[in-house]
Amino acid sequence: EAQVTQNPRYLITVTGKKLTVTCSQNMNHEYMSWYRQDPGLGLRQIYYSMNVEVTDKGDVPEGYKVSRKEKRNFPLILESPSPNQTSLYFCASSRDNRHEKLFFGSGTQLSVL
Amino acid sequence: EDQVTQSPEALRLQEGESSSLNCSYTVSGLRGLFWYRQDPGKGPEFLFTLYSAGEEKEKERLKATLTKKESFLHITAPKPEDSATYLCAVQALTSGSARQLTFGSGTQLTVLP
Repeated sequence: EAQVTQNPRYLITVTGKKLTVTCSQNMNHEYMSWYRQDPGLGLRQIYYSMNVEVTDKGDVPEGYKVSRKEKRNFPLILESPSPNQTSLYFCASSRDNRHEKLFFGSGTQLSVL
Repeated sequence: EDQVTQSPEALRLQEGESSSLNCSYTVSGLRGLFWYRQDPGKGPEFLFTLYSAGEEKEKERLKATLTKKESFLHITAPKPEDSATYLCAVQALTSGSARQLTFGSGTQLTVLP
């Protein structure tokens, strides 16, 4: 089954404790992206990757890091989380940069205390 | 800057009561407009892509239309299972390559039995 898998589904942490949210897709997609979703603000892009070893900033990249060492994986790293990073996070992938159809993961609800 | 505004923010309909959701956009050269459906606790799911004014796409009780300034998602004789948040996104063209997607905040649709 074609899917984007994110883990964990829920995460509660404290300010400053480094964390990683994993994302994996099984569709051999070139393009992957991370979004955060906040009430009233819609989906905002954090980082994206056009292919292995190619990443770029989205609209709200501050406080986040990503890496794309393998085509299927695109982890999101918060080196020193802060309460304003409490949000619902989605990973997405598509065949290429034209975004004909984005496939989203089920989301990670992060709470930073 | 690309902008997407969706209205209304929330809509409650009786089963069978047809209506439309609106997505107004401002982009410097539209490459594509996308509609997604998001169920509670899940990631958005792709519905339609529209590329040019006058284009229409249909899927079951949903029909998406596009003009030069806005898109409508028409829902005919909705059922309770159509209850979800509907997201609109646009992708602009820049120098021959596609930019990232800009999402609206969504319309939360509730269809009462």
